[in-house]
Amino acid sequence: QQQVKQSPQSLIVQKGGISIINCAYENTAFDYFPWYQQFPGKGPALLIAIRPDVSEKKEGRFTISFNKSAKQFSLHIMDSQPGDSATYFCAASSGIKAAGNKLTFGGGTRVLVKP
Amino acid sequence: DAGITQSPRHKVTETGTPVTLRCHQTENHRYMYWYRQDPGHGLRLIHYSYGVKDTDKGEVSDGYSVSRSKTEDFLLTLESATSSQTSVYFCAISEAGTSGNTIYFGEGSWLTVV
Repeated sequence: QQQVKQSPQSLIVQKGGISIINCAYENTAFDYFPWYQQFPGKGPALLIAIRPDVSEKKEGRFTISFNKSAKQFSLHIMDSQPGDSATYFCAASSGIKAAGNKLTFGGGTRVLVKP
Repeated sequence: DAGITQSPRHKVTETGTPVTLRCHQTENHRYMYWYRQDPGHGLRLIHYSYGVKDTDKGEVSDGYSVSRSKTEDFLLTLESATSSQTSVYFCAISEAGTSGNTIYFGEGSWLTVV
C-alpha cells in the first residue's frame, strides 16, 4: 500500500519548458512535504519542502503547490534546463519539527530535458 | 556534504550468505536510517535508529537487522541474502529544522544477490 502516489513516472520536456510532477497522499497526519532530486549514481538530495499552512513555496525555478483539501501537492520546474535532468521524488512525513520523523516516498519521476 | 560514508559501495554476493552494510557519519546526528530504492517504489524505510542501541523497524524490515553500538555507525545486516534483496541501499541522517525534518542521504550501496 503506497501512501504517496506520484505521477508521471517519466516525462520529457524541451529546454525552457515547464516540468510538472504531481503527488497525492492519503494520511491526513502528514504535515511536511519535501521534494528530492537524484542524479544517477548519487543519493537523493533535498530540493525544496513545504508545510501545509502555505499553498505555495518558490525557490528559484522550483515551485511547490499544495492543496490540503485535495491532499495533493506538485512540483513545477520553470525554464527547465538540461542540468535538471534527474529523478525527482516527493515525500511526506508527520510531526514537523521532530528530528526522528520517517519519510514516506512516492515512486519517483524521471525527467529528461532536451536541449 | 552531510558527512555520511557508506561501505561497501558495490557488492555482489551469493544467495544465503550474510551481508553487512556500514554507514558512518561524522556529524553526531541522533537519527539514522536505512532505506532501499527499487524502480517504481521510490525509497522504502527498512530500519531506523534514534540513538545508541535504540532501533526500530520500518515498512520493509523482514530479512534485515540493524545495530548501532556507537553514535557514528549504523550497520545493516542481511541475515541470509535473497535475490529479492538486490537493491540500492541508502543510509540517511536527519536533523530538525525550522521547516521540518531534513533528511540527508549517503551515496548508496549497490548490492546484487546472485
